[in-house]
Amino acid sequence: QSVLTQPPSVSGAPGQRVTISCTGSSSNIGAGYNVHWYQHLPGTAPKLLIYGNNNRPSGVPDRFSGSKSGTSASLAITGLRAEDEADYYCQSYGGSLSGYVFGPGTKVTVL
Amino acid sequence: QLQLQESGPGLVKPSETLSLNCTVSGGFISDRYSYWGWIRQPPGKGLEWIGTVYYSGSTSYYSPSLKSRITLSVDTSKNQFSLRLISVTAADTAVYYCARQVTTADAFDFWGQGTMVSVSS
Repeated sequence: QSVLTQPPSVSGAPGQRVTISCTGSSSNIGAGYNVHWYQHLPGTAPKLLIYGNNNRPSGVPDRFSGSKSGTSASLAITGLRAEDEADYYCQSYGGSLSGYVFGPGTKVTVL
Repeated sequence: QLQLQESGPGLVKPSETLSLNCTVSGGFISDRYSYWGWIRQPPGKGLEWIGTVYYSGSTSYYSPSLKSRITLSVDTSKNQFSLRLISVTAADTAVYYCARQVTTADAFDFWGQGTMVSVSS
């Protein structure tokens, strides 16, 4: 059971905007630790989408954006495309008691 | 472009030791801004961080739930780091990924393709 909470699934039509929440606590996100987001397609390596709460690595489209407030963070995908269908994971640090932690993942479905 | 590649047996017997290597190419494992980590994904489940090690071996972080069974090591001459997990059970069956973790942000920015390890007699 993860210390970070994500919705199991979200869906949207092509072109729409979807958001994925990542809820933690004062021991991880709320303690000021960075939140990162990954996109994972089955059979492939996870891909870093957002690092340091709201930064995109080179090559990641600006359709992906991240934000953080208090004990939660969010990933937004605008202009949803069929290729965005994947699992998305948030990741943070939970201190010495938990170490680096991943959320349970959210499956994005493009309708 | 940094590339990582996992290698090791795909089948391990219960109670035995799981050993995996990760070979880094396109960069140096001794880069002072890089840590090196292992993450796994059991079938049908999410990602789980296993541990992270610095190239000098002087600093390592282990998942509290796995700490008693894990050893991470680095071989700079081979540009390689390794995972050793003892006393495995079926619960250790997973795809194992190695990845680079940048010191400045703690994110895993480069990943291997993953290797499936099954624990079964």
